[in-house]
Amino acid sequence: NAGVTQTPKFQVLKTGQSMTLQCAQDMNHNSMYWYRQDPGMGLRLIYYSASEGTTDKGEVPNGYNVSRLNKREFSLRLESAAPSQTSVYFCASSRAYNQPQHFGDGTRLSIL
Amino acid sequence: KNQVEQSPQSLIILEGKNCTLQCNYTVSPFSNLRWYKQDTGRGPVSLTIMTFSENTKSNGRYTATLDADTKQSSLHITASQLSDSASYICVVISIKAAGNKLTFGGGTRVLVKP
Repeated sequence: NAGVTQTPKFQVLKTGQSMTLQCAQDMNHNSMYWYRQDPGMGLRLIYYSASEGTTDKGEVPNGYNVSRLNKREFSLRLESAAPSQTSVYFCASSRAYNQPQHFGDGTRLSIL
Repeated sequence: KNQVEQSPQSLIILEGKNCTLQCNYTVSPFSNLRWYKQDTGRGPVSLTIMTFSENTKSNGRYTATLDADTKQSSLHITASQLSDSASYICVVISIKAAGNKLTFGGGTRVLVKP
């Protein structure tokens, strides 16, 4: 099993460009999450989807949108990228909202 | 403000030696505490999960302790190996009316040298 797969692994954008980060899980999990990880800081929750058909804001949702396309896929969109959004983005999934999460290997995003 | 503080920020140990990482939290109300291992360039992987009533939980050479009264947890690595070089992240889960909230610590970066 692949677990949680994120694409792309690396991306460089110019300020103002838009981009969608893709995430898919093959564990039949109900809940999915998007985090960002910045140097010296803990992972911060951007958005989550407790179950298919629902999405909710996390700690740092400004500048992002999400789509729970189906049970397997949860995408994160940057409509107008800003340098402050340079970060490593992690997608995670769990069987239910309060269960341990399985993480992908991240997307490293640089915005110039 | 709910916080999770980890110490030290980083440490270097010799292969075969033991080490202990600390996690202090102010998150309330407490549900459970998790330790994750994150290898460089990879996503975090769960090591242990501890509920309020558990004091100690082991996963191979990793042993986590929890003192819910003092709001402290530790992760002890026994007989360290080169593959233990990674960041270790403490996560505290609290139960809110709107749903569970996960608060991540900033991590401790461990380097094991031969």
